[in-house]
Amino acid sequence: DVKVTQSSRYLVKRTGEKVFLECVQDMDHENMFWYRQDPGLGLRLIYFSYDVKMKEKGDIPEGYSVSREKKERFSLILESASTNQTSMYLCASKSGSGYEQYFGPGTRLTVT
Amino acid sequence: KQEVTQIPAALSVPEGENLVLNCSFTDSAIYNLQWFRQDPGKGLTSLLLIQSSQREQTSGRLNASLDKSSGRSTLYIAASQPGDSATYLCAVNDYKLSFGAGTTVTVRA
Repeated sequence: DVKVTQSSRYLVKRTGEKVFLECVQDMDHENMFWYRQDPGLGLRLIYFSYDVKMKEKGDIPEGYSVSREKKERFSLILESASTNQTSMYLCASKSGSGYEQYFGPGTRLTVT
Repeated sequence: KQEVTQIPAALSVPEGENLVLNCSFTDSAIYNLQWFRQDPGKGLTSLLLIQSSQREQTSGRLNASLDKSSGRSTLYIAASQPGDSATYLCAVNDYKLSFGAGTTVTVRA
């Protein structure tokens, strides 16, 4: 079974802090994704990566950056956290030839 | 830009009743469509994936249909159980996944 893990289930940070969210997958998938999920807005794609050191902007990249130094790990970085970044963050992975995305358990981030 | 709509937003049924969840999308040029289940505060679990060339896909009590030309998919859950209570999301894959806002299902015992 594909396993996607995220470093924290719940995180509370202060406005202006730099925040790192980590995602690790164990299936040697080429593609990895970061989404945020908000009530009434559904899931929105922030960034994705199709290879090590490669990244592409999604629909809402502003205020975020990403890092993929190793194939199994994809990090989402909030350079200076703001209250409007309070959300559920979900990571997913997919093989290069496959169709299904596999999701992690999510990180509930609260910025105060 | 792909728009995905799920109606209704919420649904409450007695145990044993069949569930019908609807998903519509605006651009029919898709690779596939995926149905997910999400329990409160949790991640997404993939239920079914239908390729654009398929009309339906089945897994146990779940059956999903796809009508690409009309931009619609339907998820049927037969003989619902309280354990089916969750939010169901559909996602359309053109070159990336676009999600609907979900249908929250409550199955009453």
